[in-house]
Amino acid sequence: EAGVAQSPRYKIIEKRQSVAFWCNPISGHATLYWYQQILGQGPKLLIQFQNNGVVDDSQLPKDRFSAERLKGVDSTLKIQPAKLEDSAVYLCASSSGTPQQPQHFGDGTRLSIL
Amino acid sequence: QKEVEQNSGPLSVPEGAIASLNCTYSDRGSQSFFWYRQYSGKSPELIMSIYSNGDKEDGRFTAQLNKASQYVSLLIRDSQPSDSATYLCAVGSARQLTFGSGTQLTVLP
Repeated sequence: EAGVAQSPRYKIIEKRQSVAFWCNPISGHATLYWYQQILGQGPKLLIQFQNNGVVDDSQLPKDRFSAERLKGVDSTLKIQPAKLEDSAVYLCASSSGTPQQPQHFGDGTRLSIL
Repeated sequence: QKEVEQNSGPLSVPEGAIASLNCTYSDRGSQSFFWYRQYSGKSPELIMSIYSNGDKEDGRFTAQLNKASQYVSLLIRDSQPSDSATYLCAVGSARQLTFGSGTQLTVLP
């Protein structure tokens, strides 16, 4: 079974630029999550999709972050404009159902803002 | 605000010893509990899940859950240097999975 795919693995941009990350979940997984993990901290949920609908985006900084999952499969997370504090690893995870089901993570995208 | 607290660490144990990792949570409605292992520069990897009170064993790993005390732990028996990693406790409710900040474990040869 193929795992969660993410790209790119690394990205370096200057502040105020924009960046986009892509995620393809495990086949058949209806629920997709985007997390932000700052060094030394646990992952923090940014947004949760069930199929192509948003379930929870309460911690997504909506003035600069956006995400979509148009066909209920792969997803894109965008940051525009980026700030220095956005430097983090962005993790995508998927599960077969609710947050009570185990989540499986992709390799993540390490974002550095200069 | 739902909180998940873990030993701040770092925790060092000699090879062959038992490593004990602890986690407390604030949301009494939590129903699912997970332990993830995260090697430096890698993504979290699920190693244990537990849903009911008591112990659950899988190889060298044992997860323990006490919902009355809002406490979940992970025991690693016969610790190996390859177990050196950060261990993340995650607690799930119907709406969200909340992670602790992790405990860094070092197993000394």
